[in-house]
Amino acid sequence: QKEVEQDPGPLSVPEGAIVSLNCTYSNSAFQYFMWYRQYSRKGPELLMYTYSSGNKEDGRFTAQVDKSSKYISLFIRDSQPSDSATYLCAIRYGNKLVFGAGTILRVKS
Amino acid sequence: NAGVTQTPKFQVLKTGQSMTLQCAQDMNHNSMYWYRQDPGMGLRLIYYSASEGTTDKGEVPNGYNVSRLNKREFSLRLESAAPSQTSVYFCASSYHDSSNQPQHFGDGTRLSIL
Repeated sequence: QKEVEQDPGPLSVPEGAIVSLNCTYSNSAFQYFMWYRQYSRKGPELLMYTYSSGNKEDGRFTAQVDKSSKYISLFIRDSQPSDSATYLCAIRYGNKLVFGAGTILRVKS
Repeated sequence: NAGVTQTPKFQVLKTGQSMTLQCAQDMNHNSMYWYRQDPGMGLRLIYYSASEGTTDKGEVPNGYNVSRLNKREFSLRLESAAPSQTSVYFCASSYHDSSNQPQHFGDGTRLSIL
């Protein structure tokens, strides 16, 4: 079993839709939770970063962590074609950073 | 700001050839990392350098060597390339190698080994 599981998609939505991206993890020692966005032929760029359970909001993006269920989510409101990318969750404990395989998101105009 | 710069962007090698991938960061970060990204596998850590003068193995170090040349530069060497090393290689850096420090990535080197 992978330490971090992420549905690879692709997830295809119309412009303006609310998008929900999810990861599950197996190690309760994980402490820090991140979401990266990766455009085609580019490196991952950090979108959101949190260490506590609950919600963290930044513009159209909301990161949600449920440590009791070992489940993290990224919500994108009013999705735009420019949001089309691969979204990677990444979870850290100690000096170990574990990435999900990424979910491909396509937002159709 | 350049951030993390990787060279070359693309390379094709023959099996058995050697090559060094270069990485430089201009953010005054102490820690640097090398990852490979393969379809369905996510990013996997090859080697990292928590600070200048130190290097440690990651999850998939076999077939690779690294050199932390100075605080800015961290290179990855393939001594005898194998087709299984065909991948996209990413370099990353962070201020410190600790839990609350996010990593910042370069745009990758696409390496094909025939």
